Amino acid sequence: DAGVIQSPRHEVTEMGQEVTLRCKPISGHDYLFWYRQTMMRGLELLIYFNNNVPIDDSGMPEDRFSAKMPNASFSTLKIQPSEPRDSAVYFCASRFASGITDTQYFGPGTRLTVL
Amino acid sequence: AQKVTQAQTEISVVEKEDVTLDCVYETRDTTYYLFWYKQPPSGELVFLIRRNSFDEQNEISGRYSWNFQKSTSSFNFTITASQVVDSAVYFCALSEAYGGATNKLIFGTGTLLAVQP
Repeated sequence: DAGVIQSPRHEVTEMGQEVTLRCKPISGHDYLFWYRQTMMRGLELLIYFNNNVPIDDSGMPEDRFSAKMPNASFSTLKIQPSEPRDSAVYFCASRFASGITDTQYFGPGTRLTVL
Repeated sequence: AQKVTQAQTEISVVEKEDVTLDCVYETRDTTYYLFWYKQPPSGELVFLIRRNSFDEQNEISGRYSWNFQKSTSSFNFTITASQVVDSAVYFCALSEAYGGATNKLIFGTGTLLAVQP
């Protein structure tokens, strides 16, 4: 079975540009999470969705960040405009909340560099 | 508040040595979940184990074993006869369970394990 798929794997952009990160969760999973990993702050949850509905976006750093999940198999995280401090690895994770196997499985991550 | 502490920032061992990675957590909930993830140099996060707060039975999976002790709020991870392929950053994580679902994962800062040949 395919795991969580993220694209692109690497993104280099210039300050002020719009960046869109993409995620395809594991088929059948009803929760989707976006995390950011930096040296300074470690792994932190940005936002998560349940059945395509955003549940908690309290981790989104500021209004420049937005996330959508138009259907069960696709989500985007957008940064507009991007800044150098947004440079990080962004992970998407998904989970099926069965109560037995409610474990989050992570994608390979997108390494974002903002110059 | 929830918190996960991995006091060991880096550990270096020689191949075939046993190594234990420490994890101490804080939570006010009585029902919670604990996890270990591995992040190899390639960067992905690989799930290793999940443990429920009401199950203190230790677990062994091949060369990996986990010791969960609620009395000391610890969930330590031991690798027996370490191998070079075990070199990675290992993260311990906690989530509190409400409504039967685990939502926010709180990660520790990770322990970098370097296994020398």
